Amino acid sequence: KAGVTQTPRYLIKTRGQQVTLSCSPISGHRSVSWYQQTPGQGLQFLFEYFSETQRNKGNFPGRFSGRQFSNSRSEMNVSTLELGDSALYLCASSLGDSRSYEQYFGPGTRLTVT
Amino acid sequence: AQRVTQPEKLLSVFKGAPVELKCNYSYSGSPELFWYVQYSRQRLQLLLRHISRESIKGFTADLNKGETSFHLKKPFAQEEDSAMYYCALSGAGSYQLTFGKGTKLSVIP
Repeated sequence: KAGVTQTPRYLIKTRGQQVTLSCSPISGHRSVSWYQQTPGQGLQFLFEYFSETQRNKGNFPGRFSGRQFSNSRSEMNVSTLELGDSALYLCASSLGDSRSYEQYFGPGTRLTVT
Repeated sequence: AQRVTQPEKLLSVFKGAPVELKCNYSYSGSPELFWYVQYSRQRLQLLLRHISRESIKGFTADLNKGETSFHLKKPFAQEEDSAMYYCALSGAGSYQLTFGKGTKLSVIP
C-alpha cells in the first residue's frame, strides 16, 4: 500500500510569513501526528489528530496549529515564521486505536526560513 | 516530565562485533518503549517495540524497569546495520512519542 506522503518536500519562506504543510496518511489510518526535527532539539512532538480532533499537543507556541479532514489528511500551519522554525517537519500515520501503535513516517518537509 | 537519553551520539564497531546502543528513560508510569531506525536516504521506521518482544534483523531490546533502560543489542554487527537509531517512549495508549537525540551506528567493514 502507498506510504505516507508529504507536500511540499522543500519550502523556503521569509520571516513573518506563514506556511501550510500537508500530510496524506496511509489508507485506513485515522491518526496523524506531526514532529519537528532540528539538529539541536532532535525530534519533538507537535500534535496528534484522530478523527478530525486534536488528541494530543506538544509544547509549542500557538503559532503552530493543525487540522485533520474527514479523509484523515492533515495540514499543519505555522504563522509569523521565525528563523528558529527552520526544520524538517515529519508526519506519521497510524491506525489510531489499540490494534497497533506503530507509526509510519513520511519523508518530511524541509522548511527553511530566511 | 518524560525524557529519553541516548548517551552516545556516534558508535563505531567492526563488522561481526557485538553492538549495544544505550537508552535510558524517565517516565512516571508504565511507558511503551520503541526503537526507530533511519537508514541513509530512507524514512524513519519502527525497528522494535518492547511489548512485542520480537527480534528484528537480529536486534533485541529488553525493558529493564529497575534501571529504566531499553538498550538495543545485536550479537554480530553487519555493514547494513549502519544507520541512525532513535529510542522513543510513549505513555500507555498514547501516540505521542518522546524521542532521544539518536545514536549514529557505523559498522566498519
